[in-house]
Amino acid sequence: EAGVAQSPRYKIIEKRQSVAFWCNPISGHATLYWYQQILGQGPKLLIQFQNNGVVDDSQLPKDRFSAERLKGVDSTLKIQPAKLEDSAVYLCASSPTSEYNEQFFGPGTRLTVL
Amino acid sequence: DAKTTQPPSMDCAEGRAANLPCNHSTISGNEYVYWYRQIHSQGPQYIIHGLKNNETNEMASLIITEDRKSSTLILPHATLRDTAVYYCIVRPLLGSARQLTFGSGTQLTVLP
Repeated sequence: EAGVAQSPRYKIIEKRQSVAFWCNPISGHATLYWYQQILGQGPKLLIQFQNNGVVDDSQLPKDRFSAERLKGVDSTLKIQPAKLEDSAVYLCASSPTSEYNEQFFGPGTRLTVL
Repeated sequence: DAKTTQPPSMDCAEGRAANLPCNHSTISGNEYVYWYRQIHSQGPQYIIHGLKNNETNEMASLIITEDRKSSTLILPHATLRDTAVYYCIVRPLLGSARQLTFGSGTQLTVLP
């Protein structure tokens, strides 16, 4: 079974530029999560989707971050404009349902903002 | 805020059991204890979870104290590939607040 796919794996941009990350969850998984992991810290949930609807985006900095999952399958996370403190690994995870015990994580995208 | 406390780092000799402690003194009756690990440059990986009984699977064993205020993850025969950050997470069984809240975890280093 294919795992969660993310691209790109690495991205370097300058502050005030825009960037987008893509995630393709495991086939059939209705729930999709985006996490931000700053170096030395555990992942922090940014947003949770159930199919194409947002369940929780309380920790998403909405002035610069946006995410969508239009067809309830793959998802994009965008940052516009980026700040230095956005340098982090952005992890995507999925699960069959929001009640499922296990979340399956992708390898992440490492973003460096200069 | 993370509801768990873990030591920042531990070492273990290859082939020996690795015992990773976690304190969760404010855990409530409907909350489970979950363990994930994150190998360097990879996403976190689910290991095991439990409510109050000891649990075992092909990866590890989870021992939860009777008062449920602490637990221990046991890797019975640690290998070099078990070197990772291990996260202990308290999570409700049901409801909208079931997000995974990661703390800083324990860096386990398995030594040859």
